[in-house]
Amino acid sequence: QVQLQESGPGLVKPSQTLSLTCTVSGGSISSGNYYWSWIRQHPGKGLEWIGYISYSGSTYYSPSLKSRVTISVDTSKNQFSLNLNSVTAADTAVYYCARWPNWDPFDYWGQGTLVTVSS
Amino acid sequence: DIQMTQSPSSLSASVGDRVTITCRASQGITNYLAWYQQKPGKVPKLLISAASTLQSGVPSRFSGSGSGRDFTLTISSLQPEDVATYYCQKYSSAPLTFGGGTKVEIK
Repeated sequence: QVQLQESGPGLVKPSQTLSLTCTVSGGSISSGNYYWSWIRQHPGKGLEWIGYISYSGSTYYSPSLKSRVTISVDTSKNQFSLNLNSVTAADTAVYYCARWPNWDPFDYWGQGTLVTVSS
Repeated sequence: DIQMTQSPSSLSASVGDRVTITCRASQGITNYLAWYQQKPGKVPKLLISAASTLQSGVPSRFSGSGSGRDFTLTISSLQPEDVATYYCQKYSSAPLTFGGGTKVEIK
């Protein structure tokens, strides 16, 4: 059973970089035709897809966040990471990592982690 | 990029009512459409894939239909445990856009 777990600071100061890591267990991040995604949800709002990375490192970012987002993968640690720079209070959200099997919906999600942007 | 528009944004219905939520894509997505249910504080749960394929364990009162641009999620007989927010999502290609959500409440 594949499991995903987000980790990282729960509080980030404005203008700094939000950094989160998703650790994948129960399966290799390098196996299969999967894309490893980040999704966020502002408090009381809807789901917003941030972007994905493949095990080989190819990425695709949401056009609305593309200028501030970097997603990377560390296959040796079975992890992928999100960096979002120049954050503001508008980036306060629950951040989820998830697996996209391509041509199917997201099949595994992390539990989500709340990141608050505040001084 | 393809936009996903859900309606209504919220609804209130009585137990036993038939509930219909619609999702429209700004361009055709064949049937690469999923429906998720999210309860407060929980991770979204996949209900339906490929526009109409019910996931294992999901009650049969849930159904999905549509193709191309227009899709529908129907709850045939609303139950108290169905109180949640429902999202559609396209997964034909990136960006993997979600609809804005429909909050379902009991009247």
